[in-house]
Amino acid sequence: ETGVTQTPRHLVMGMTNKKSLKCEQHLGHNAMYWYKQSAKKPLELMFVYSLEERVENNSVPSRFSPECPNSSHLFLHLHTLQPEDSALYLCASSQDTAGRDKNIQYFGAGTRLSVL
Amino acid sequence: AQKVTQAQTEISVVEKEDVTLDCVYETRDTTYYLFWYKQPPSGELVFLIRRNSFDEQNEISGRYSWNFQKSTSSFNFTITASQVVDSAVYFCALSVNRDDKIIFGKGTRLHILP
Repeated sequence: ETGVTQTPRHLVMGMTNKKSLKCEQHLGHNAMYWYKQSAKKPLELMFVYSLEERVENNSVPSRFSPECPNSSHLFLHLHTLQPEDSALYLCASSQDTAGRDKNIQYFGAGTRLSVL
Repeated sequence: AQKVTQAQTEISVVEKEDVTLDCVYETRDTTYYLFWYKQPPSGELVFLIRRNSFDEQNEISGRYSWNFQKSTSSFNFTITASQVVDSAVYFCALSVNRDDKIIFGKGTRLHILP
């Protein structure tokens, strides 16, 4: 089983829809991350969770709402998105946000989101 | 502020050629980490290597090698005898010790032609 699993792999939604992206990690890590990858832009960090507490929120619009019910699962709830939100959304996990291996992040395959 | 520059947007080489991907970084921190990740067409970023700022030894792993030079703030990645399966986007990244963030470069898209 892969370390970090994201579902769905592809999602098409209208601007008035509500949907959720799911991420699950099987690595026993304590920290999880959401990134946005748009065409021709660097990877943008959106949210960081450590031990289920949000420790980073990079000025992300409120139409993106993260949820971390436990250290293995991370969700990104989407509502009233805009076409410019179309991108690849990547989830990652790491051992923790502190410690020797704190910043080796392991990524899922992403959800490719298209907003119509 | 931290910054990672990958000046090569796209490279194409013929299979079995060697290819070097350049990475230049900027930071005022004395303790930092450098990374390379590979993103194949399937989408996930695959961790390749992490080096800390106190270890300038070059590293070789099979056909992959990395050249870390603090004097030029560079962390270049060489693939020897490239193969079609090496085709991917490669990201160089930087993290400072006091921070959780990884700053990624824009990536270099590598095409290995058969």
